[in-house]
This record gives sequence, structure tokens and C-alpha cells, in this order.
Amino acid sequence: DAMVIQNPRYQVTQFGKPVTLSCSQTLNHNVMYWYQQKSSQAPKLLFHYYDKDFNNEADTPDNFQSRRPNTSFCFLDIRSPGLGDAAMYLCATSRSLGNTEAFFGQGTRLTVV
Amino acid sequence: AQSVSQHNHHVILSEAASLELGCNYSYGGTVNLFWYVQYPGQHLQLLLKYFSGDPLVKGIKGFEAEFIKSKFSFNLRKPSVQWSDTAEYFCAVTPSGNTGKLIFGQGTTLQVKP
Repeated sequence: DAMVIQNPRYQVTQFGKPVTLSCSQTLNHNVMYWYQQKSSQAPKLLFHYYDKDFNNEADTPDNFQSRRPNTSFCFLDIRSPGLGDAAMYLCATSRSLGNTEAFFGQGTRLTVV
Repeated sequence: AQSVSQHNHHVILSEAASLELGCNYSYGGTVNLFWYVQYPGQHLQLLLKYFSGDPLVKGIKGFEAEFIKSKFSFNLRKPSVQWSDTAEYFCAVTPSGNTGKLIFGQGTTLQVKP
């Protein structure tokens, strides 16, 4: 019954080695979000797609990129992970922008060694 | 800058105790308000939401929250907690009609002792 699925649940990557996190959804929602949640902190939005339109938050580092090849899938690419990028990465979807709730995946916990 | 503040970071209660978790936000315009819960090992799930209308909102599992506009608050309440309510609770705000960007509080860890 999982509606927003993130893979993998746990990812270990080496310092500076590109890594890709995956999110898929069965809800056919127009909007997909990526949030970063560091230990003991609030989740923080990195960017979102409305359909194919990409919207980056102003303070999201250039090191973070995203791709959405179709409605169902969205990827988070970290080009050169640093130790400070270790976090839980949450994918979420919503039917539209505003006045609607978001549905979250279980998250991918990224460790950088 | 818009922000959400949750007053309690870690709350410990015994079963059947009453719960109130505080949440305040800073944004002058119309907002949508949410409480999300994250049970151990699970994803964030919506407990309840407020978009407009009756400021007293009822959610799942006996939770409710009251929007007090004058106080910029959206406190979560439950009259009698159960051990299964042990989880992390996040208050979140999104400016109405915005991108849907959720601005989260730091979360409150609730531990209910049996």
C-alpha cells in the first residue's frame, strides 16, 4: 500500500562520490518535493517539481540536483557529497500547489564516509 | 523569515495522561497548518490539517488542534495518550496558495510510558 517509495532506505557513500537517491509514487500527484532533515533538525525543502517545472530553493547548494523523468519518478543527485550532507532525505508528493496535504516516503538515510 | 517553533523537544507522559504540544509560527498572511507524526521506523503521516473554517480541528487517533490566529498558534491536544502514541510530532505551516512548501518545526519526541 506504500504510495511514496524511496530507495534505498539506507545509503552509504564515499566523500566526493556522486550518489543518487530515488523516489517513486503511485498517487499520480503533480508535485514532488525533496526535503533534507539533519539530525535533531526540522526537515528543510531543497526543491520541488510541479509537473516538469523545477523549482529550486534559494539556499539549496549547487551540489544538489534533481531529475523527474516522468510523473512517477523523481531523483535526487548529490554530485560531490561532503560530510555535511549526511542526513535523512525525504521525498513527498502533493496533488497540487498549496491547500493540499503532502504524502511522505520513508526517507533515505545517507551516510558519507 | 518564516519559522515554526515547537515549545517542547522531548515530552514524557504516562498512559492516560493528557497531552498538549505547543506550536507557534511567524507569518503575517493566511496560512495552512499541519501536524505530522512519525512513528518509529515509519514515514511522516498527516495527523490533522487546518485550511479554513472551524479553528478546532479533529484528526486521526483522537488528536485535535486549535488554531488561534491572534496568537499565531496551532497547539495539538489529546485528552488521554496511549503507549502507541510514542512518536515524533512535527508542526508545519505553508503560506496559503504558495508552492506547498512546508516549513517545519523542530519536532517533539513524545514518549508514553505504559
